[in-house]
Formats: sequence, C-alpha cells, structure tokens
Amino acid sequence: DTAVSQTPKYLVTQMGNDKSIKCEQNLGHDTMYWYKQDSKKFLKIMFSYNNKELIINETVPNRFSPKSPDKAHLNLHINSLELGDSAVYFCASSQVTSGSSYNEQFFGPGTRLTVL
Amino acid sequence: GNSVTQMEGPVTLSEEAFLTINCTYTATGYPSLFWYVQYPGEGLQLLLKATKADDKGSNKGFEATYRKETTSFHLEKGSVQVSDSAVYFCALSLYNFNKFYFGSGTKLNVKP
Repeated sequence: DTAVSQTPKYLVTQMGNDKSIKCEQNLGHDTMYWYKQDSKKFLKIMFSYNNKELIINETVPNRFSPKSPDKAHLNLHINSLELGDSAVYFCASSQVTSGSSYNEQFFGPGTRLTVL
Repeated sequence: GNSVTQMEGPVTLSEEAFLTINCTYTATGYPSLFWYVQYPGEGLQLLLKATKADDKGSNKGFEATYRKETTSFHLEKGSVQVSDSAVYFCALSLYNFNKFYFGSGTKLNVKP
C-alpha cells in the first residue's frame, strides 16, 4: 500500500492555465505539507495543514491555494501558471504528537510540473 | 534562527570508498536531526535519525552521530556502492513543531 500518493506524476501545461495536484495519505497522520523542489534540488516548504487547519504558509504567491477536505487529503491548486512554477512538488505527512521529540515526515513520489 | 548547512556537491567516489557528507545546524531549541535520501525520480525517504545529543543513527551501513558541541550531524559510510548514488538531505525538526528545516542536498555519484 502506498503511504503518501500524489496525482498526477507528470503535468505539462501552458502558461496562464489553472491546474491542481492531489495528495492522499493512508498513514492516519494529522499533518500534511507541500514542498517545492527546484532544478538544483533545493527543497522549500510551502504550506502545512494540521487537522485541516493551515499552520504554515510560507512566502508563496497567492496564485497557490492549498485545500484540505479532510485529514487524509491535501490538494494544491495553482492559478495563472507561470514559467517559474516549473518544479517538482512533493506532498508529505507526519504525526505531530504533543510531547514527542520528533515528527518524521513521509514523502510522496512527487509531481513534476512543466509550464511551457 | 534555524538552519541546516550541508557540504556542496556533487561528491564523486569509486565503489567501496569511504563516504563523509558534512552537515552542521543552528537551532533555537533542542532539535531532532535527520538524514533523508532521494533516489533519482523518487521522493525523499528517511535514512536515519537522532533525537538527542550523542545519539547515533544508523541504517543500511550509514551512520551519523548527533554532536551538540560542534552542532554537527555528519553522514558516514565505510564502503559505498553504486546503488548509493542519490541526493542526501540533512534536516532538523524542533520539539513539538511542525516544520522541518532541510539542507540544500548533496548529490553523491558512485562509480563502479
């Protein structure tokens, strides 16, 4: 069973379009994340949701809007796509337990977005 | 602030060579430390972790020791294989926090 899954794996689209990436986790975790990885492999956190509530919102253009319909899903919608949005987007999840000393993150396989 | 600094890559080694990838951190609290590995075309996988000073994390022949005095968590392996070729990320997480701080990643190429 896949722990964290993302769809689609590849997404090629034209500038100006709107697209969505879906993420689902079956680990029962309470926290989910979106990361952007650029061509140099640098990994940057974009958003984090805990129990469907937004808790981390880094400096990301407001064209990016996360939506969490339930604890197991965190989707990423992107409006008016730009060339600079081309990257690999990773979803991750973790169980953030009060009193725990760490919260290992489990990553999905990534979605490679190419904007033409 | 909180941050992780890794040695720049790529690192190119011959099979069976000794590997060290340096990682140092700054943190406002008492972090847990992690090494993640990303194989080509895949997501990140946890390789090993350490949650307190002097802990040693180990997995698949890789080791790293949490050194509070030098704020370091260097990754080592005694004998690398071609299959170890990947990008390695050092990361820290703070107590009860939801956020991970990742290093910039170090690409390892192992030649036969």
